[in-house]
Amino acid sequence: TQLLEQSPQFLSIQEGENLTVYCNSSSVFSSLQWYRQEPGEGPVLLVTVVTGGEVKKLKRLTFQFGDARKDSSLHITAAQPGDTGLYLCAGGTGTASKLTFGTGTRLQVTL
Amino acid sequence: ETGVTQTPRHLVMGMTNKKSLKCEQHLGHNAMYWYKQSAKKPLELMFVYSLEERVENNSVPSRFSPECPNSSHLFLHLHTLQPEDSALYLCASSPGVRGDYGYTFGSGTRLTVV
Repeated sequence: TQLLEQSPQFLSIQEGENLTVYCNSSSVFSSLQWYRQEPGEGPVLLVTVVTGGEVKKLKRLTFQFGDARKDSSLHITAAQPGDTGLYLCAGGTGTASKLTFGTGTRLQVTL
Repeated sequence: ETGVTQTPRHLVMGMTNKKSLKCEQHLGHNAMYWYKQSAKKPLELMFVYSLEERVENNSVPSRFSPECPNSSHLFLHLHTLQPEDSALYLCASSPGVRGDYGYTFGSGTRLTVV
């Protein structure tokens, strides 16, 4: 069974601070996706990374896929209240008919 | 409408009731999914459909019965549920069933079983 552990589980920070969320597994994935879920809504895809060592930037968000394709990180610079939500990583294996979702990191950014 | 639409958004049902959740996607995707999201648990895959054919049933109790009449519509029929079935039920779609494709999720149905 493939598992994706995210850390930290909860994070409460003030506006303007930086943070990093980690997604780790003992399994190799062909791709890694990050989603953000706001209260009362479904998850929304933020990014997909497919190459070991790949780094993608989306405004203040930086995503990295580990060299061995077993882990990933999400770094947010100068967090804003609009970044509040549940962040989920998900691993794909190319041939399987499903994604494996991580345990989630709940982020709260206050003024 | 665009994206993935789920109805109803909220549902309260008794343990002896029968109800159905509906999902519709307007993206031309070929794969559709049902997920269960409970507090403090990772998203749990329930069912996967590819071009209206069920390709995965993740050991889900028979009180949950999926139906996919065409590639745009997905239903989850519910009967004799238990209180522990209370959760957010999410529908998603993707271009194909490969695990590398990103999912587009609906807003979910918040189900409460009383």
